[in-house]
Amino acid sequence: QQQVKQSPQSLIVQKGGISIINCAYENTAFDYFPWYQQFPGKGPALLIAIRPDVSEKKEGRFTISFNKSAKQFSLHIMDSQPGDSATYFCAASMDTGRRALTFGSGTRLQVQP
Amino acid sequence: NAGVTQTPKFRILKIGQSMTLQCTQDMNHNYMYWYRQDPGMGLKLIYYSVGAGITDKGEVPNGYNVSRSTTEDFPLRLELAAPSQTSVYFCASSRKETQYFGPGTRLLVL
Repeated sequence: QQQVKQSPQSLIVQKGGISIINCAYENTAFDYFPWYQQFPGKGPALLIAIRPDVSEKKEGRFTISFNKSAKQFSLHIMDSQPGDSATYFCAASMDTGRRALTFGSGTRLQVQP
Repeated sequence: NAGVTQTPKFRILKIGQSMTLQCTQDMNHNYMYWYRQDPGMGLKLIYYSVGAGITDKGEVPNGYNVSRSTTEDFPLRLELAAPSQTSVYFCASSRKETQYFGPGTRLLVL
């Protein structure tokens, strides 16, 4: 059972544009929602994360929007740059027990110059 | 501070062979994880550990085994390799919610 659904699979954005990636989760016990960025041949690296007690978190050009009632969250990349070209994964976990991440299937972002 | 290191970077195995993927972290994290990443898919949890001497299965544990004798090391053992185990394997560690990933081991089973 896929507990975190991510869309789109791939995204092409022009330099300076806004990239938007969406995720939906099923398990209401999740209480931590990170986004990871992965470059080819590298391990995922934490980009930004949010907890369900806030509806938005912004760090530089990256913003997470969180809708608890809809069980959805999204990543917005403002002023997208060619260096942002990577695969982005949303994930979710619980703050108790094993704390393992349940990942979405990933979005390959390409920012064209 | 090296973070999470994994060896080898790449390995080709024949069907039925065995191998151990090594993972070491120098951040004194209690939690450690093994994930596999198949093409076009997210990472799936194989095994995890909440501390030395304590391990448990994740979503896809069949064909794998782990041990955790020290805080730093969390090796993943593949017994009787099968083509379905062709994947990229990532080790991760955490103290709380943020997981830090190693660079991965690419495994090809032929």
